[in-house]
Amino acid sequence: NAGVTQTPKFRILKIGQSMTLQCTQDMNHNYMYWYRQDPGMGLKLIYYSVGAGITDKGEVPNGYNVSRSTTEDFPLRLELAAPSQTSVYFCATSQTGSRGYTFGSGTRLTVV
Amino acid sequence: DQQVKQNSPSLSVQEGRISILNCDYTNSMFDYFLWYKKYPAEGPTFLISISSIKDKNEDGRFTVFLNKSAKHLSLHIVPSQPGDSAVYVCAATRIIQGAQKLVFGQGTRLTINP
Repeated sequence: NAGVTQTPKFRILKIGQSMTLQCTQDMNHNYMYWYRQDPGMGLKLIYYSVGAGITDKGEVPNGYNVSRSTTEDFPLRLELAAPSQTSVYFCATSQTGSRGYTFGSGTRLTVV
Repeated sequence: DQQVKQNSPSLSVQEGRISILNCDYTNSMFDYFLWYKKYPAEGPTFLISISSIKDKNEDGRFTVFLNKSAKHLSLHIVPSQPGDSAVYVCAATRIIQGAQKLVFGQGTRLTINP
């Protein structure tokens, strides 16, 4: 039972490069979320989706884009990487009516 | 604006004793509170939760207490075991535009000493 799978686990990007962080779930959950966690800070919501074809901004969406073409996948796109985007990124899912989230293991991104 | 705060970055407790982790929040609209446990290089895993209409919820060695008037919740672990060493993250949730949104604290690193 894979749950929530994030790839890659680690990545180093140069300023101005682009990349996509992948998130796939096999639990058939409706809701999916992207969070980032900076050192000493709580997780902050970047984008979320309540179902295929529907996405919305969270607290810190600038510099990111998402899409949700299927229930299973919720990729996060960085178009022009900046040092401020150095962080650990977590994808999470939840089911309608459930209060608990299931998290992936995270992607550690460094922009130099 | 840090709506959920964990003011202690770390806590060290002897094995067998009680561990008490604290969390404060500012938004009275939160309707559910959760504790997550996090190991290095892993995502947070759900531990225990409490509805805002309750003041206590217990699950084995873990008990969460909610004091709404003080906007404070705490997680008690009794007795503490070495496997409890991890980062504990407090979170609060409310429904916004049809979707539940979790707001997280910074986390407290708990170390259980043998």
